Amino acid sequence: QLQLQESGPGLVKPSETLSLTCTVSGGSISRSTYYWGWIRQPPGKGLEWIGSVFYSGSTYSGATYYSPSLKSRVTISVDTSKNEFSLKLSSVTAADTAVYYCARHGPSSSSWPPEFDYWGQGTLVTVSS
Amino acid sequence: QSALTQPRSVSGSPGQSVTISCTGTSSDVGGYNYVSWYQQHPGRAPKLMIYDVNKRPSGVPDRFSGSTSGNTASLTISGLQAEDEADYYCCSYTGSYTFVVFGGGTKLTVL
Repeated sequence: QLQLQESGPGLVKPSETLSLTCTVSGGSISRSTYYWGWIRQPPGKGLEWIGSVFYSGSTYSGATYYSPSLKSRVTISVDTSKNEFSLKLSSVTAADTAVYYCARHGPSSSSWPPEFDYWGQGTLVTVSS
Repeated sequence: QSALTQPRSVSGSPGQSVTISCTGTSSDVGGYNYVSWYQQHPGRAPKLMIYDVNKRPSGVPDRFSGSTSGNTASLTISGLQAEDEADYYCCSYTGSYTFVVFGGGTKLTVL
């Protein structure tokens, strides 16, 4: 059974960079073809897609896709040696305080599956001095 | 990209059916057959309940069904059970620039 687990600091200072990692177990990023994404949820509010990265075990493209509203501050990458992917969000403010989830895209047969079938448990990141 | 519009709350009694609406535009819900629905219990991660408008992942009861009409998607839960009480979010593909947009969420109360 595929499992995803977020990790990283729970407290980040304003103007600094938020860095999170999603470790995948029960499956190999390098031997599969999936999109992997990050979604966040401010306390008491709804879900917001942050961005995603595509990895194909046969033809790695490293293609990334970001929400236009966050694109200037977001970087998502994959480290197949550690079977994980990561999120970096720069110049954070209190508005970036949220539970951050990592997730796998699927199971639609679309060329860009816009749904998420496996989720991590989420990690709360608070932006405060 | 504005969030899809959902009612803040809906309610129903055990055994009844409820429908949650999700209104978008021709650039998202009405333009693609890629609407999904998520169930989220307090303190838990969202769970995929419907994808591609009306497909259910393995393990999701057939009491859950999805549909679309124009720019509005709907999630119907029949034979309501106490465990269905949760927040529900719709989500739609929005094209190759904005990609994904979620609805604001609907709180389902089982009376």
